[in-house]
Amino acid sequence: DAGITQSPRHKVTETGTPVTLRCHQTENHRYMYWYRQDPGHGLRLIHYSYGVKDTDKGEVSDGYSVSRSKTEDFLLTLESATSSQTSVYFCAIQRLADYGYTFGSGTRLTVV
Amino acid sequence: DAKTTQPNSMESNEEEPVHLPCNHSTISGTDYIHWYRQLPSQGPEYVIHGLTSNVNNRMASLAIAEDRKSSTLILHRATLRDAAVYYCILQNSGNTPLVFGKGTRLSVIA
Repeated sequence: DAGITQSPRHKVTETGTPVTLRCHQTENHRYMYWYRQDPGHGLRLIHYSYGVKDTDKGEVSDGYSVSRSKTEDFLLTLESATSSQTSVYFCAIQRLADYGYTFGSGTRLTVV
Repeated sequence: DAKTTQPNSMESNEEEPVHLPCNHSTISGTDYIHWYRQLPSQGPEYVIHGLTSNVNNRMASLAIAEDRKSSTLILHRATLRDAAVYYCILQNSGNTPLVFGKGTRLSVIA
């Protein structure tokens, strides 16, 4: 849907290692978002981007960085993964036609 | 951000209409009302949005109170596939990121 792909779909990593999650879209959408979802917290915004090299922090950005060097790719990096970052991560694009969001299928990350 | 209040959970019988309420008493004149839903093990899915007038699409209808302090998402005929968490979200402008609350968990009984 809307050509949005998240990779990997599942990942298990060790505490202290760097991890990069990728969100790829094929329809040239300008606005992209990263959310995480945990039981009891719902979806929380991590970072977002309004275009190439134009990014901003969301409510839970500590421990995360992002990069957007191309319109189609929005990368989320955990510089040094911690167990508290075990979560499901969703990427979303915003459609200009109706301002609605289309979400990817999610990446389930486990930090052990 | 203006906040919304939704019931934690609701239950509906299959093939009956469902009215999901949302209160947003602090809504501003430029806030759009968005509804999303999230099926089990999936990402959220756009349902509908509106500003002042009632809106209809293939998935649902959105009824907005005249004073805009509340709205209702209407599923005209619930199916088992409509069992999901439904989120009512206010967005101040098209560029403001959506902020999700806890939503309403809808159960549909066969």
